[in-house]
Amino acid sequence: DTGVSQDPRHKITKRGQNVTFRCDPISEHNRLYWYRQTLGQGPEFLTYFQNEAQLEKSRLLSDRFSAERPKGSFSTLEIQRTEQGDSAMYLCASSSPGQTFPGELFFGEGSRLTVL
Amino acid sequence: QQQVKQSPQSLIVQKGGIPIINCAYENTAFDYFPWYQQFPGKGPALLIAIRPDVSEKKEGRFTISFNKSAKQFSLHIMDSQPGDSATYFCAASQYSGGSNYKLTFGKGTLLTVNP
Repeated sequence: DTGVSQDPRHKITKRGQNVTFRCDPISEHNRLYWYRQTLGQGPEFLTYFQNEAQLEKSRLLSDRFSAERPKGSFSTLEIQRTEQGDSAMYLCASSSPGQTFPGELFFGEGSRLTVL
Repeated sequence: QQQVKQSPQSLIVQKGGIPIINCAYENTAFDYFPWYQQFPGKGPALLIAIRPDVSEKKEGRFTISFNKSAKQFSLHIMDSQPGDSATYFCAASQYSGGSNYKLTFGKGTLLTVNP
């Protein structure tokens, strides 16, 4: 499978715990994005990497959120001291300069977080 | 601030019908307008996209109509099938610096096609 891979697919945690999600993009894609999707909403942009550099962060990404892409390949998204409002689907997407249109994204299947 | 407004929220049609999903935007900096399809438990997948200098684009049973002056665009699904039942998101792409383009999504339309 050469698509975007995310792990874990589901995570249930208690409020206050830390969680980490991993994303493996399509191998030749140098751009990686994290989006958050809540029930009944479209995906909302969180952050963007080009290779290992984090170039943009949304205001939605509070201080409890941190994302890394240390070697320009896989990425991790960590949420510290989780709150019930963090419950959502966290989507990873990747893209390359050879995409069909500017901003075309290839999404993974997401990591669903439930904070109790 | 919702930059891309999508309607209806849900839509039910019979097999063979032509569902139409509408989107509107305000930001004239948007320069590409894709539609994504999402099945339950899956991530969104690109369906079709259009540039603002084109009024219509057709790919198979899916057609985007684009009205630049009205800042509106819509998705039409011809001869809809039960397998088309999914959530559809319109989106708009905007250059955000460097070589990055950022997508802004609508809230989605849950389409159900009954047999």
